[in-house]
Amino acid sequence: DAGVIQSPRHEVTEMGQEVTLRCKPISGHDYLFWYRQTMMRGLELLIYFNNNVPIDDSGMPEDRFSAKMPNASFSTLKIQPSEPRDSAVYFCASRKDRAGEQYFGPGTRLTVT
Amino acid sequence: KNEVEQSPQNLTAQEGEFITINCSYSVGISALHWLQQHPGGGIVSLFMLSSGKKKHGRLIATINIQEKHSSLHITASHPRDSAVYICAVTLATGNQFYFGTGTSLTVIP
Repeated sequence: DAGVIQSPRHEVTEMGQEVTLRCKPISGHDYLFWYRQTMMRGLELLIYFNNNVPIDDSGMPEDRFSAKMPNASFSTLKIQPSEPRDSAVYFCASRKDRAGEQYFGPGTRLTVT
Repeated sequence: KNEVEQSPQNLTAQEGEFITINCSYSVGISALHWLQQHPGGGIVSLFMLSSGKKKHGRLIATINIQEKHSSLHITASHPRDSAVYICAVTLATGNQFYFGTGTSLTVIP
């Protein structure tokens, strides 16, 4: 298996632009997680899905952030409009079941200027 | 207030030394995770624990549920062990994760 795949790996955009981050989880994994990592706050859970259904989005910073999982093999995290404080590394991770290990993607480094 | 506290924040060791990183938490958990993040940024899950002890190669993780404490040990440390080690817990009430701030380990040849 190729592992969790994220794209793009790097994104540089101007304030106010829409940004879409993409994730393909490991096949057969029922859980998908989106995380954000910054120097100031470390790793934070933004939202997670179980069987494509959003279960907990309490970590999503504000209405500018939205996440979807239209099918078991694809998820997006969208920021509209983006702001400089959104600059961070965004990780996607997947897990087979509630008791399983998490597998992280390589991350997307987002820079908003 | 941090639900997960790690110590030390930074650690420098000579190659071959025995290393211990500690994690304490204040919430009810269903599992505790140790993650490794290398300078390139990738995150790897090392262990997931709900009780007792696990061993993988030179790495050992222990957890004491009553004391709400876990340790990650590295035996015969090597420069390639240099990384940030992150403790995280899954809450007993759901799938929420709380992360520690990480321990930055540098092993000098």
